[in-house]
Amino acid sequence: EVQLVESGGGLVQPGGSLRLSCAVSGFTFSNSAMNWVRQAPGKGLEWVSTISDRGDTTYYADSVKGRFLISRDNSDNTLLLQMDSLSAEDTAVYYCARVELWFGENYFYFMDVWGKGTTVTVSS
Amino acid sequence: SYELTQPLSVSVALGQTAKLTCAGDNIGTKNVCWYQQKSGQAPVLIIYRDNNRPSGIPERFSGSNSGNTATLTISRGQLGDEGDYYCQVWASDSVIFGGGTKLTVL
Repeated sequence: EVQLVESGGGLVQPGGSLRLSCAVSGFTFSNSAMNWVRQAPGKGLEWVSTISDRGDTTYYADSVKGRFLISRDNSDNTLLLQMDSLSAEDTAVYYCARVELWFGENYFYFMDVWGKGTTVTVSS
Repeated sequence: SYELTQPLSVSVALGQTAKLTCAGDNIGTKNVCWYQQKSGQAPVLIIYRDNNRPSGIPERFSGSNSGNTATLTISRGQLGDEGDYYCQVWASDSVIFGGGTKLTVL
C-alpha cells in the first residue's frame, strides 16, 4: 500500500524555524518527483515546492522562495521541508504528495497520492 | 502569472449532473487535473490530463478542456460528492491551483 506520512508540524514563534518530514512507503521513492502543498485555515490549496526524483531540480512558490528548502533522502525514503523565517502567513496544514510529471511536449503535472498532512502554526 | 478561476460554489440536485468550470487563458493548451477534498480530509486526485480517471474513481466523474475553460462533470450527483473541488495546471515553472469550488448536493 502506498503511504505518505508527514510529521514535524507544531507551534512555532514568528521568525522561527521548523523542519517537516514525509516518510514514504509502498512505491519506489527514488523514481518519483515529490512536492509540498499547504492549506491555510479555511482557504484553498497553495503549492509550496517541488523536487525532482534525483533531487537535482527544485521549484518554489514565490511566497516561500529564499525561506524554505526542499530536499530528499532517497536512501531513507524521506522528503523534507526546512522552513525558516516563519510568519503567521505560513500557518497551514502541509501536505506532501507524489508527483507525476512530464516536461516535454504536451507537458503535464499532477499529484496522485497525498499524505494526511501536518499542521504548522506560527504564533507568539 | 497564470491564473485559474473557479466559481465559489455550485449546487446540484441529488441524481442530477453538476458541471464545475475552471477558466484560464488558453487553458485548452494545458493538461488540467482535478482534486476532490472532503471536509477534514486530504485532497484526492479524480481527473488527470484533462479527462483521465485514476483507478477507483467512478465513471460518473469526467473532464473536458477546450479554449479558455476546463470542465469537471459529475453525473448522477450523490451526497458523498459534496466537498471542495480544485483544478490545477503547471505553468511558468509553478503549480497553479484554482481557488476551489464548493459543491453542495441538494
